[in-house]
Amino acid sequence: RKEVEQDPGPFNVPEGATVAFNCTYSNSASQSFFWYRQDCRKEPKLLMSVYSSGNEDGRFTAQLNRASQYISLLIRDSKLSDSATYLCVVARNTGGFKTIFGAGTRLFVKA
Amino acid sequence: GAVVSQHPSRVICKSGTSVKIECRSLDFQATTMFWYRQFPKQSLMLMATSNEGSKATYEQGVEKDKFLINHASLTLSTLTVTSAHPEDSSFYICSARDSGPSFNRETQYFGPGTRLLVL
Repeated sequence: RKEVEQDPGPFNVPEGATVAFNCTYSNSASQSFFWYRQDCRKEPKLLMSVYSSGNEDGRFTAQLNRASQYISLLIRDSKLSDSATYLCVVARNTGGFKTIFGAGTRLFVKA
Repeated sequence: GAVVSQHPSRVICKSGTSVKIECRSLDFQATTMFWYRQFPKQSLMLMATSNEGSKATYEQGVEKDKFLINHASLTLSTLTVTSAHPEDSSFYICSARDSGPSFNRETQYFGPGTRLLVL
């Protein structure tokens, strides 16, 4: 089993739709959580950090449930420019800092 | 925001040659840099953790004699793919953590990547 698991996707949604991505992690020592966005043939870029209290940045809302070891990302009012791969990322600092990436979920937003 | 550069962005080489990729943190110091490899339609796989002034830590299955890492300064790490073969063709991405007193110390900043094609 992978340490970070994501919805396999791809998600195909119309503009304006709300889409939710889920992610689970297996290592309870995980300390920091992030969502990254990766466009085709580009490097990953930080979308937002994820906190237990939940956090929102414009149309994007991230949630963390430590008890269930579950992370989510909600995108409201999808735009064409949201089309990308969304990576769930978990970091821990046990015996050295380590970041583990999920396989990513591909999102296609259609006009 | 913090910037990480990589050079070259793209390289095509013949099988058996060695290729060096540089990763630089441009406006912050990074005691730790990471090297990832990404094959098409797959996730980033951590290859090794590069520590300034000491030996790199390699992930299981990554040959340290084939992928030589040098982190000689707080702003530069290099990855050398020795005797490259077609199966080494991939997208190599480095990242760096800000070692300074920054709120975003746990954030990794990624370089733009180097696309390697071995013929």
